Amino acid sequence: AQSVTQLGSHVSVSEGALVLLRCNYSSSVPPYLFWYVQYPNQGLQLLLKYTTGATLVKGINGFEAEFKKSETSFHLTKPSAHMSDAAEYFCAVIEAGANNLFFGTGTRLTVIP
Amino acid sequence: DAGVIQSPRHEVTEMGQEVTLRCKLISGHNSLFWYRQTMMRGLELLIYFNNNVPIDDSGMPEDRFSAKMPNASFSTLKIQPSEPRDSAVYFCASSRGSGNTEAFFGQGTRLTVV
Repeated sequence: AQSVTQLGSHVSVSEGALVLLRCNYSSSVPPYLFWYVQYPNQGLQLLLKYTTGATLVKGINGFEAEFKKSETSFHLTKPSAHMSDAAEYFCAVIEAGANNLFFGTGTRLTVIP
Repeated sequence: DAGVIQSPRHEVTEMGQEVTLRCKLISGHNSLFWYRQTMMRGLELLIYFNNNVPIDDSGMPEDRFSAKMPNASFSTLKIQPSEPRDSAVYFCASSRGSGNTEAFFGQGTRLTVV
């Protein structure tokens, strides 16, 4: 069975600082991995995804994530936080060959001026 | 394309009443997901359809909940009778269904049962 763990329900960073949001998954086979962002009173929007190929994937708004099979991780990073990055971030997984999209519990990012 | 369209955006109803949430998929998408989001439980997958057929409804909390796809572009989620603990934001999402493609989300329906 799929599960996704996001360490830290709340993360605060200063504007301009590195953003690191952690995601670990459990899967019997390498899954497809996604990061979504949710702004207040909005639906979820895809930031980036990993399916196959290069393990470092770049997404919108300067975010990127690296798939590390040995660590079963897919952490999200951004070199320099901007005030507009304040939102809730969700890691999600689909097991290869399936279509069910399962989400982690989310991490709320606060950016301090 | 207008994206995934959900209606209504907000619904307030009294306990015991029937509630119907609606979702229009993006044209060409053949997978449909219903999620429920609460502070306590986060995002929960309720049910997933592929080509109008329910594939996994293990997340549907009780028999009070039912979902249908009467056609390839439209889905409903019905709660009957509604209870205060059903209060949540309900999201619909659609995708092309090949697994590695992204799901596009609607704006959600905020349901309050009083």
